[in-house]
Amino acid sequence: ETGVTQTPRHLVMGMTNKKSLKCEQHLGHNAMYWYKQSAKKPLELMFVYSLEERVENNSVPSRFSPECPNSSHLFLHLHTLQPEDSALYLCASSQIAGGLEQFFGPGTRLTVL
Amino acid sequence: AQTVTQSQPEMSVQEAETVTLSCTYDTSESDYYLFWYKQPPSRQMILVIRQEAYKQQNATENRFSVNFQKAAKSFSLKISDSQLGDAAMYFCAYRSPRNYGGSQGNLIFGKGTKLSVKP
Repeated sequence: ETGVTQTPRHLVMGMTNKKSLKCEQHLGHNAMYWYKQSAKKPLELMFVYSLEERVENNSVPSRFSPECPNSSHLFLHLHTLQPEDSALYLCASSQIAGGLEQFFGPGTRLTVL
Repeated sequence: AQTVTQSQPEMSVQEAETVTLSCTYDTSESDYYLFWYKQPPSRQMILVIRQEAYKQQNATENRFSVNFQKAAKSFSLKISDSQLGDAAMYFCAYRSPRNYGGSQGNLIFGKGTKLSVKP
């Protein structure tokens, strides 16, 4: 495996479900990010982690809970989501937080029913 | 706050022709970075080209080049000799100097331009 991988690629869940998105980077980077990509809207930065420590949280609702157990793995735990949370969730990594080049994963297409 | 505007939701180009994608941004900073990212239908976003604001010379990467007009706050992407594989969403992004205003130097994206390439 190379680059940034994300699982699952597609997820359908009900509003009462609990699920998790997983991201893994094989680049030796120290920073990881979660973005939300909705149709016809700019990418929205959700969370930034640097060396497993959260350094930024852009006013994201508490129904999204990130976890970074080590510098290679990043999770996004989801619970009691709303239909408007349906979107493509992208993970990215960079050498350091705010690094000049971010490497993106393929994303998880989330549908909330 | 910085903003990035891509005024062309969709563009189309004939194979082997040249196309220019527009991007404007708003900032009060003098030093920053600008990027073009490409997101093909497979969805993995990749960096196409990067421009440092303090450099007057326009960046180029093979068939991709930019026209950076700092005073006008314009950063357009030119794709020459378009190929079918160039079909994708293209995102313009801005990055302030790291740690400016407490920021980690995060990327601010435009809404994107969907480019179609006709054979």
